[in-house]
Amino acid sequence: VIWMTQSPSLLSASTGDRVTISCRMSQGISSYLAWYQQKPGKAPELLIYAASTLQSGVPSRFSGSGSGTDFTLTISCLQSEDFATYYCQQYYSFPPTFGPGTKVDIK
Amino acid sequence: QVQLVESGGGLVKPGGSLRLSCAASGFTFSDYYMSWIRQAPGKGLEWVSYISSSGSTIYYADSVKGRFTISRDNAKNSLYLQMNSLRAEDTAVYYCAAGRMKGAYFDYWGQGTLVTVSS
Repeated sequence: VIWMTQSPSLLSASTGDRVTISCRMSQGISSYLAWYQQKPGKAPELLIYAASTLQSGVPSRFSGSGSGTDFTLTISCLQSEDFATYYCQQYYSFPPTFGPGTKVDIK
Repeated sequence: QVQLVESGGGLVKPGGSLRLSCAASGFTFSDYYMSWIRQAPGKGLEWVSYISSSGSTIYYADSVKGRFTISRDNAKNSLYLQMNSLRAEDTAVYYCAAGRMKGAYFDYWGQGTLVTVSS
């Protein structure tokens, strides 16, 4: 099983800020990483797959980077609708595993 | 538009059973690999079970192996999860999720159905 950590676990930010969330793997996964956004009481939504490919319909202020064991999700200019919890997920090996999440809240 | 609608959740006593269903629409269900993913209250996401597009390949998380059974009916565009011998730690929102690629990420998610295991 591949274990994942995310940092920070809580990020307080303001509208317009540039925010960066880190996801680290217990072993290399090439670029087999996805990012999801989850708002309270809602299902997760796919933002990025293959580490850096934006899902259709996702705003371009979201971007992903990294390969191997270290990955980053960046929101270039935080909007009010971006306050949510973000999860990374590896699909390099079965079972697919998720990071513990990063909650982005209002400063 | 794409829709995944779960049903069948509820309150059940420890040791009891439930059957979850997920009705799919707006995409070619038989082309997609399906999973159940759960989220305990206030916690993160945990993959539970996977079934290939044809139903020929199935995997389970160790935490549910031998107790849960996943199945699908492509003619009815439906996914199922039979849950037996339920435990308090199975309490969670259960999501069905669809992926275009085998064993990959999840393109579409349902709204979830809450399963509460309590006496």
